[in-house]
Amino acid sequence: GQQVMQIPQYQHVQEGEDFTTYCNSSTTLSNIQWYKQRPGGHPVFLIQLVKSGEVKKQKRLTFQFGEAKKNSSLHITATQTTDVGTYFCAGPKGATNKLIFGTGTLLAVQP
Amino acid sequence: NAGVTQTPKFQVLKTGQSMTLQCAQDMNHEYMSWYRQDPGMGLRLIHYSVGAGITDQGEVPNGYNVSRSTTEDFPLRLLSAAPSQTSVYFCASSSQTGSGNTIYFGEGSWLTVV
Repeated sequence: GQQVMQIPQYQHVQEGEDFTTYCNSSTTLSNIQWYKQRPGGHPVFLIQLVKSGEVKKQKRLTFQFGEAKKNSSLHITATQTTDVGTYFCAGPKGATNKLIFGTGTLLAVQP
Repeated sequence: NAGVTQTPKFQVLKTGQSMTLQCAQDMNHEYMSWYRQDPGMGLRLIHYSVGAGITDQGEVPNGYNVSRSTTEDFPLRLLSAAPSQTSVYFCASSSQTGSGNTIYFGEGSWLTVV
């Protein structure tokens, strides 16, 4: 079945360092969404990418959708302690309404 | 603006007991879903609904039932709780379909089955 994997599972950085998480789907996605979940909290929507090769920026966060629409990345420049949390990508399963989440990347930022 | 409201926030059950996790949204969203989150497993879709009277299975539906009698409410029922159902449960909703629309999550329900 369709799988959405993320790497790395965990990343520990010093404050000010950059961070990247990668999302890979076994099938082509019509769109991809990114969510952030703070420790003890619930997932919160960050952004959606739809077009092949699309790049979107939100302040220090840069999101990219691969040309083949099977992979995506989230890059954070100069991490801050407020960036701590788990970042999930998610994509629809085929042409259905089911949104399948990736395994997530937990980011720890040391001050 | 309440958004997505889940109750209870915490629950301890004994094996074999039944219970219902409540979920309500006030955004008039058609699409609602239930996820469970386990360490290292991410979020896994249990059941979802594209509108009142319509439900469908997700990735891990066994042991759970749902119904959607109104647009606002989407309860999740555990008929006979098992320790494997110890998890954090999130209800979510979005407008129209779940594909291509922002999903709003409730704050979660922490369930322990002993």
